[in-house]
Amino acid sequence: EPEVTQTPSHQVTQMGQEVILRCVPISNHLYFYWYRQILGQKVEFLVSFYNNEISEKSEIFDDQFSVERPDGSNFTLKIRSTKLEDSAMYFCASSEEAPYSGNTIYFGEGSWLTVV
Amino acid sequence: KQEVTQIPAALSVPEGENLVLNCSFTDSAIYNLQWFRQDPGKGLTSLLLIQSSQREQTSGRLNASLDKSSGRSTLYIAASQPGDSATYLCALKNLMDSNYQLIWGAGTKLIIKP
Repeated sequence: EPEVTQTPSHQVTQMGQEVILRCVPISNHLYFYWYRQILGQKVEFLVSFYNNEISEKSEIFDDQFSVERPDGSNFTLKIRSTKLEDSAMYFCASSEEAPYSGNTIYFGEGSWLTVV
Repeated sequence: KQEVTQIPAALSVPEGENLVLNCSFTDSAIYNLQWFRQDPGKGLTSLLLIQSSQREQTSGRLNASLDKSSGRSTLYIAASQPGDSATYLCALKNLMDSNYQLIWGAGTKLIIKP
């Protein structure tokens, strides 16, 4: 069964460093997302991406964050100048159609980011 | 503002029991609601998706229901097994505001005792 893959599974970085989290969405999917889950808290939406541009972003997704689809398969989340509070599990997801169409969203296994 | 609540936060039952997990929401204007399973340190696996026009969906031993008027969805697990132990989250798509994001509950951690 097709799946969303994420790398790295776990990354430890020093405060102030830049981090790039990578994702390979399911190949025929057109909508891509990043969510995060701080330990013990709810899953939070960060950003959605469609047709090579951001379609929606939350208040969390400030200038520190950026997303890119550098080629036909990868989808990346860059966090500049990481802070302690950026420590979380970051989930990439993809869907064939937009969520309001009722299409299932498929999630990757996540990338644990620990900022020290 | 839409709020999604899952009670209880944790549930422990003996193997073989049928059980119900609850998800409530404050605004009934939703497109759909989805149930996910999360194993410790792992990703989110979609279990069932219910459209706003539907009352229930079934997959194997799982049955999810939706009652928009009461702002409630339930996930019924029949004949529970130790392998069902995980955190179960519900997430919904609002009708009005955001086009893309899902709004999540905090989850119910389920432990099935052998």
